[in-house]
Amino acid sequence: LAKTTQPISMDSYEGQEVNITCSHNNIATNDYITWYQQFPSQGPRFIIQGYKTKVTNEVASLFIPADRKSSTLSLPRVSLSDTAVYYCLVGERRGSTLGRLYFGRGTQLTVWP
Amino acid sequence: NAGVTQTPKFQVLKTGQSMTLQCAQDMNHNSMYWYRQDPGMGLRLIYYSASEGTTDKGEVPNGYNVSRLNKREFSLRLESAAPSQTSVYFCASSENRNTEAFFGQGTRLTVV
Repeated sequence: LAKTTQPISMDSYEGQEVNITCSHNNIATNDYITWYQQFPSQGPRFIIQGYKTKVTNEVASLFIPADRKSSTLSLPRVSLSDTAVYYCLVGERRGSTLGRLYFGRGTQLTVWP
Repeated sequence: NAGVTQTPKFQVLKTGQSMTLQCAQDMNHNSMYWYRQDPGMGLRLIYYSASEGTTDKGEVPNGYNVSRLNKREFSLRLESAAPSQTSVYFCASSENRNTEAFFGQGTRLTVV
């Protein structure tokens, strides 16, 4: 079971770059790493997904080292609207059955003016 | 294209009452999930369905039952509600575990 560990909370100021690191020591060979964002009173929404090295989209970048035991979500120039909970997920595989998605507690990011 | 639709959005139950939370998705996804979210606890997986006709337990299945009625619908039933089941419930769906999961807007359930 590929559980994850991430900081409970982080603070930043507008315009700064924020890096949130997630540990997943037991990641399986075929598992992907996915990050979600959740605003209050809403369901989580997908931000970015990767398998190795670096992935970038219009919202964030995801850095994954060669051993894949951790990953870092990078949010460039955050704004107040980036205040949310960020979840790091690693897929679980059980035999040939598609795995479950475990979210954990996430990281509460608070952006200050 | 509505995505994932949950009903109801709010519900108050008395201890011991039963109810079913409904979830439907129109994206032809194979996998569907039920989560509960409590303050400071993040999202915890209750049950999961990899495909029509199959269900599997998650982290906190006790006190709940599920039915994958067809590919579109995945319901969550509380047979005898308890105050400990007061929570916000989210349904989600995805093509498979390695692709994006889409969430409903949630059901806020209070058991008194």
